[in-house]
Amino acid sequence: SAVISQKPSRDICQRGTSLTIQCQVDSQVTMMFWYRQQPGQSLTLIATANQGSEATYESGFVIDKFPISRPNLTFSTLTVSNLSPEDSSIYLCSVEQQGDTEAFFGQGTRLTVV
Amino acid sequence: GQNIDQPTEMTATEGAIVQINCTYQTSGFNGLFWYQQHAGEAPTFLSYNVLDGLEEKGRFSSFLSRSKGYSYLLLKELQMKDSASYLCAVRDKDSSYKLIFGSGTRLLVRP
Repeated sequence: SAVISQKPSRDICQRGTSLTIQCQVDSQVTMMFWYRQQPGQSLTLIATANQGSEATYESGFVIDKFPISRPNLTFSTLTVSNLSPEDSSIYLCSVEQQGDTEAFFGQGTRLTVV
Repeated sequence: GQNIDQPTEMTATEGAIVQINCTYQTSGFNGLFWYQQHAGEAPTFLSYNVLDGLEEKGRFSSFLSRSKGYSYLLLKELQMKDSASYLCAVRDKDSSYKLIFGSGTRLLVRP
């Protein structure tokens, strides 16, 4: 199994600012993903973080709003830009190892935009 | 397209058995997962089914019927700590093997 450290665990941000969330894994992993979980709802995939290249975004999510970096096989960041109250949500990092069946999740970052 | 349905909420009594159903429609089914998520915490892996049948793991069992697009999670000897959301997720090989999550079922266990 993989141990994932996600920071910060929570933050309160002013509208118009940005928040960068970090995801650090204790071992090299093939796949890293970023999800959003809005209050009372399930997980929605934002993008797949690709090592050394641009992330692959899902429908409804764009790079300008959610820039992602993945400089190596153990680390990724998600930035939520130009924050609005609608961005208040939990953001989760997830990792998978090719050939493994399950996905592992970080503890999540609870973002509140005021 | 993909579609995953599960009940929004369920209530059960401590010590009892509860079955949480999940139906799905995907073009490239490649496995079904159940995750448990306590409020304010990350999802944790419970079970994985890729072939038809029942997988048992302690108090929890998961069943899959690929021909019916149907799975259930069975929780036995319910404990208060089992109060959580239970997420059904399907891996779709036609969507780059991504996990597609259902909306989750909130289970409340009462004394």
